Amino acid sequence: GAVVSQHPSRVICKSGTSVKIECRSLDFQATTMFWYRQFPKQSLMLMATSNEGSKATYEQGVEKDKFLINHASLTLSTLTVTSAHPEDSSFYICSARDQTIRGRGYTFGSGTRLTVV
Amino acid sequence: GQQLNQSPQSMFIQEGEDVSMNCTSSSIFNTWLWYKQDPGEGPVLLIALYKAGELTSNGRLTAQFGITRKDSFLNISASIPSDVGIYFCAGLWNTGNQFYFGTGTSLTVIP
Repeated sequence: GAVVSQHPSRVICKSGTSVKIECRSLDFQATTMFWYRQFPKQSLMLMATSNEGSKATYEQGVEKDKFLINHASLTLSTLTVTSAHPEDSSFYICSARDQTIRGRGYTFGSGTRLTVV
Repeated sequence: GQQLNQSPQSMFIQEGEDVSMNCTSSSIFNTWLWYKQDPGEGPVLLIALYKAGELTSNGRLTAQFGITRKDSFLNISASIPSDVGIYFCAGLWNTGNQFYFGTGTSLTVIP
């Protein structure tokens, strides 16, 4: 149980275009999902907390107009990188929490490798 | 956001050796989690700890929740090549809130 599917796994886009990444909880409902960013050989840094039916909460330093988050249903959150630039190239990972499982319910997607050329 | 300090940053060990790593924070947490990440993949949960002093095992892995609630330890016994990867600790204050990751420990096992 508690499977999180992230799509696409890899994407290459041109500078100035937008890219959408999907995060789905397959067998549970998630009122809250989290988006992380990871640079090579570094830890995961929380970008934002996605709340179903309301606005996302962004961490300090993360541009909300550049990283658009939509959590329109209890099983889907999307992260859109708008007007992408090469410095946005990174590994993006989502996680979701199955509230029926104490503590252990934080499950991660397999990540999306974004390359902006 | 907050970040937890892990040590060592990297380890190179012989197959069969035991491994110890730790994670420290300036803040207290109510839950500690340990994850393993393989290259190009998302982290996978290894062990979850909910109570100060708690010692929990998962096969060859053993983790402890420090008494001060500001640290946690992970031990791997009799390492094997598939243990290679990056190990992250994560601290959680309140269930439902976001948690924060450690800086990671990269483990290399030499056959």
